[in-house]
Amino acid sequence: AQSVTQLGSHVSVSEGALVLLRCNYSSSVPPYLFWYVQYPNQGLQLLLKYTSAATLVKGINGFEAEFKKSETSFHLTKPSAHMSDAAEYFCAVSEGQAGTALIFGKGTTLSVSS
Amino acid sequence: NAGVTQTPKFQVLKTGQSMTLQCAQDMNHEYMSWYRQDPGMGLRLIHYSVGAGITDQGEVPNGYNVSRSTTEDFPLRLLSAAPSQTSVYFCASSYKGYTEAFFGQGTRLTVV
Repeated sequence: AQSVTQLGSHVSVSEGALVLLRCNYSSSVPPYLFWYVQYPNQGLQLLLKYTSAATLVKGINGFEAEFKKSETSFHLTKPSAHMSDAAEYFCAVSEGQAGTALIFGKGTTLSVSS
Repeated sequence: NAGVTQTPKFQVLKTGQSMTLQCAQDMNHEYMSWYRQDPGMGLRLIHYSVGAGITDQGEVPNGYNVSRSTTEDFPLRLLSAAPSQTSVYFCASSYKGYTEAFFGQGTRLTVV
């Protein structure tokens, strides 16, 4: 069965600093991977997705993630944090095209200070 | 576009009461799912459906029932509410199980 581990429940950065949110997955077949963002009291919004086309995936708001099969990782990065990036971020996996629903990690809360 | 609509947004129940959380989507998606979100636990899958008339259990199905009589609707029923079911509930729909999931705004449920 597939699973997702997000390292660090809380990450704090200064405005303008690099953002790195870590995600490792477990899947018995080539996975489909997603990053979602949740702003306070809102639903989840898709940031980006990996569907085996390219290992470096660019998303909205300047975020990108790189799929590394050898490390079973899909870390989310942004070169320069903005105050508006403060939110909770979730990594999710589907077990290939047989997946019936996304399985989510426990989330990482990103705080950005000025 | 309405997308995924959940009702109600907020609900307070007494222990032992029953209720139905409603979820409707207008994107003609075959796949729908229910998650609960608790602090530090992320989103955990309760039940999912791969089409009208077909449902299955997720990670935390106990205490919840679902049915899928139409493509558009996927209600979640709490049979006898317990304080442990205090949570935020999200409904999602997708074209396939491995494609982008679209989420509703959530239902914040408190069981006292």
